[in-house]
Formats: sequence, structure tokens, C-alpha cells
Amino acid sequence: EAQVTQNPRYLITVTGKKLTVTCSQNMNHEYMSWYRQDPGLGLRQIYYSMNVEVTDKGDVPEGYKVSRKEKRNFPLILESPSPNQTSLYFCASSSSGRAGEQYFGPGTRLTVT
Amino acid sequence: GQSLEQPSEVTAVEGAIVQINCTYQTSGFYGLSWYQQHDGGAPTFLSYNALDGLEETGRFSSFLSRSDSYGYLLLQELQMKDSASYFCAALDSNYQLIWGAGTKLIIKP
Repeated sequence: EAQVTQNPRYLITVTGKKLTVTCSQNMNHEYMSWYRQDPGLGLRQIYYSMNVEVTDKGDVPEGYKVSRKEKRNFPLILESPSPNQTSLYFCASSSSGRAGEQYFGPGTRLTVT
Repeated sequence: GQSLEQPSEVTAVEGAIVQINCTYQTSGFYGLSWYQQHDGGAPTFLSYNALDGLEETGRFSSFLSRSDSYGYLLLQELQMKDSASYFCAALDSNYQLIWGAGTKLIIKP
């Protein structure tokens, strides 16, 4: 089954404790992206990757890191989480010629206390 | 700046037709996408318009007018399962999707 997976689905952590949210897709997509969703704000892009070893900042990259060492994986790293990073996070992927058609993972609900 | 405007909430009756409008302002523009998101779920892709005109996919249709920087999503024969939030998103010159804040569609029996 073609899908984007994320782990964990839910995470409660404390300020300053490094964490990683994994994202993997099995569709051989070149493009991958991380979004955060907050009430009333729609989806805001954090980082994106056009292909392996190619990453770039989105609209809200502060406090986040990413890497793209393999085509299928695109982990999101929070080196020192803060309460304002409490949010719902989505990973998405698409083929390079169809960036308007993105496939989303199930989401990770993160709470930082 | 880049922005998309869509109504925050729309109410309709089961079996009816509803139109959700979206106006956009982006730095460069390749096309307009629409996504559906049920409460607690992930966004799912509905349609993408790169050219002016109407595209139909079953009960859903999407329209784009590039000269007016405007598009809409049309949902026909509304069913209760269509109750969800609908997002328009514009593909900009950096090949990134810029998202509207979403329209919550409430369907009454």
C-alpha cells in the first residue's frame, strides 16, 4: 500500500529534551515536506526537500532541523523543544512533477511542557 | 506577501450544492490545489488546477481563473461524510504550496 508513515503519533515531552519525528514514504517520491498545523492558521511549511541531500527552509524553520540521507526518509529534529512548538505535525511527499498533489502522513501530535 | 483567503465556515444542507471560494496572492503561481481534512485526520488531496476552467471529479469540481486570482471548489449532492475542513493551496514560483486557513463545512440533515 502506498503510504507516508510518521512516528510517533503522539508525544509529550519537556522543554529542552531533544526529539526526532520520523517520516518515511514508499512511493519513491522525490519531494518531501514537513508542516505544522495550528488552529486557525492552516498548514505552515517548516522544511522541504526536493531530493536526497537537498533541503531548504520553509516559512517557519526556526527551532527545527531536517536531513535527507535516503530518498524514503525525512526525519524532523527538534534539538531543544519549547512550548511554542506544541502543535500537530504532518509529513508529506509528492513526485517532482506533481508538487500540487501531496500525500500526507497521519500526523504527530506534539506537546512540549 | 503571500496569502490565500477562504471563508472560515460554510453551512449547507444534505443533498444540496455548496461552493467554497478561494482568492490568492502569491509570488509566482503554477496552480491551485484543494485538500479535505476530517477532524483528527490528515489532509487528503482532492484536485489541482493549473489551467483556467472547471475540472470535475465525481461529485467534486474545482475551478480556476488565473486572471482573477480566484478559484472555487464545488461539492454536489452533499453527504454527511463531506463534513470536514477544506483547504485551498497555491503552488508558488518556488514550487511550494502556500495554504489557506481552511473552510469548515457543516452539513445539516
